[in-house]
Amino acid sequence: AQSVTQLDSHVSVSEGTPVLLRCNYSSSYSPSLFWYVQHPNKGLQLLLKYTSAATLVKGINGFEAEFKKSETSFHLTKPSAHMSDAAEYFCVVSDNSNGGSQGNLIFGKGTKLSVKP
Amino acid sequence: ETGVTQTPRHLVMGMTNKKSLKCEQHLGHNAMYWYKQSAKKPLELMFVYSLEERVENNSVPSRFSPECPNSSHLFLHLHTLQPEDSALYLCASSQDWTDPSTDTQYFGPGTRLTVL
Repeated sequence: AQSVTQLDSHVSVSEGTPVLLRCNYSSSYSPSLFWYVQHPNKGLQLLLKYTSAATLVKGINGFEAEFKKSETSFHLTKPSAHMSDAAEYFCVVSDNSNGGSQGNLIFGKGTKLSVKP
Repeated sequence: ETGVTQTPRHLVMGMTNKKSLKCEQHLGHNAMYWYKQSAKKPLELMFVYSLEERVENNSVPSRFSPECPNSSHLFLHLHTLQPEDSALYLCASSQDWTDPSTDTQYFGPGTRLTVL
């Protein structure tokens, strides 16, 4: 069965410094992986997704993530944090156990990103 | 704006009340979802509707009753809830429910439910 582990529940960075949010997954099949962001009092917004094409995926707002099969990781990075990046970030794996016939997503517990001025 | 709206945004109810949550999507999608987001727990999928038919019920107690009258609207009817049901309830939609690698889910802002 698929699962996803977000290694940090809270990350704090200074504005202008790099961001690294870590995610490891477990999957018996070729996974599809996603990062979503949730700002306070808002719904989840898709940042980027990996679907077995290029292993380095670029998303919105300058974020990117690299799929590393050997490490079963899909860490989210950004070169320079902005105050508006403060939010909660969720790593997600799709449940492809039925050969992609199901649309179910499996969410990590989330990482809260704080950005200090 | 994601094109998915939810009402009400906040709801407080007693354990004997009956209330309903409403979700509407303006994206022309065929699939709609209910999720529960509790503090310190991963998002949990509750129900999935595809073309107005329920295709997934993730062992959700019967005190939660979904309804999908058409592909744009999804309701969650609540009755005799427990305090542990207090959570953020999120609605989402996607073009189809076949392949999440291609069918991105778009989320609404959620309804913050408190059960007293």
